[in-house]
Amino acid sequence: EIVLTQSPATLSSSPGEGVTLSCRTSHVVSSLYLAWYQQKPGQAPRLLIYGASNRASGVPDRFSGSGSGTDFTLTISRLEPEDFAVYYCHQYSGYTFGQGTKVETK
Amino acid sequence: QAQLVQSGAEVKKPGASVRLSCKTSGYNFADFYIHWLRQAPGHRLQWMGWINPNSGATNYEQRFQGRVTMTGDTSSNTAYMELRRLRSDDTAVYFCARDRVPHYDVLTGPPDYWGQGTLVTVSS
Repeated sequence: EIVLTQSPATLSSSPGEGVTLSCRTSHVVSSLYLAWYQQKPGQAPRLLIYGASNRASGVPDRFSGSGSGTDFTLTISRLEPEDFAVYYCHQYSGYTFGQGTKVETK
Repeated sequence: QAQLVQSGAEVKKPGASVRLSCKTSGYNFADFYIHWLRQAPGHRLQWMGWINPNSGATNYEQRFQGRVTMTGDTSSNTAYMELRRLRSDDTAVYFCARDRVPHYDVLTGPPDYWGQGTLVTVSS
């Protein structure tokens, strides 16, 4: 099983600032099969990025994904109030998820 | 716009079974895999398996083999997931989710449209 490890566990920031979230995989994952989700309390996850760098339909361009091999990154260029949430990376060749990074208000 | 609406919360005793439903609309049900996933308190999301509603083919996560059955009804555009021999650690919110690409596409996934989730509580 491919294990996904996200860092940091919690990230404190302010609206307008940019943040970078990391996802490291225990084995090489094809970029074709790496996704990022956003989840708010009481809601289902929302797909943000698929194929490591492709924004899902309706996702603002302040969200961007990059990476390859075992290291992947989600960047939010300028935080909006609605962006404070938990973010999960997901590899969908074997369907495992990271443990999440909580982006909270500083 | 695809929509997935799940059945309501369930409370079950250990050893019992639960059957959850996921009614879909807004797209051709037969064309896209339906995934089932769960999220237990304090745990990461866990994928349970998928079903191809067109053929009925399934792919289950190994840890659920023998305890889970996923089915689909193309006449009502509804997917079902049954989990048997429930234990307390099966307490979780269960989600159905549609795969992003049609099953006949070369590529696959990830899940894009999700149901709202169903809380299953297993307690004596």
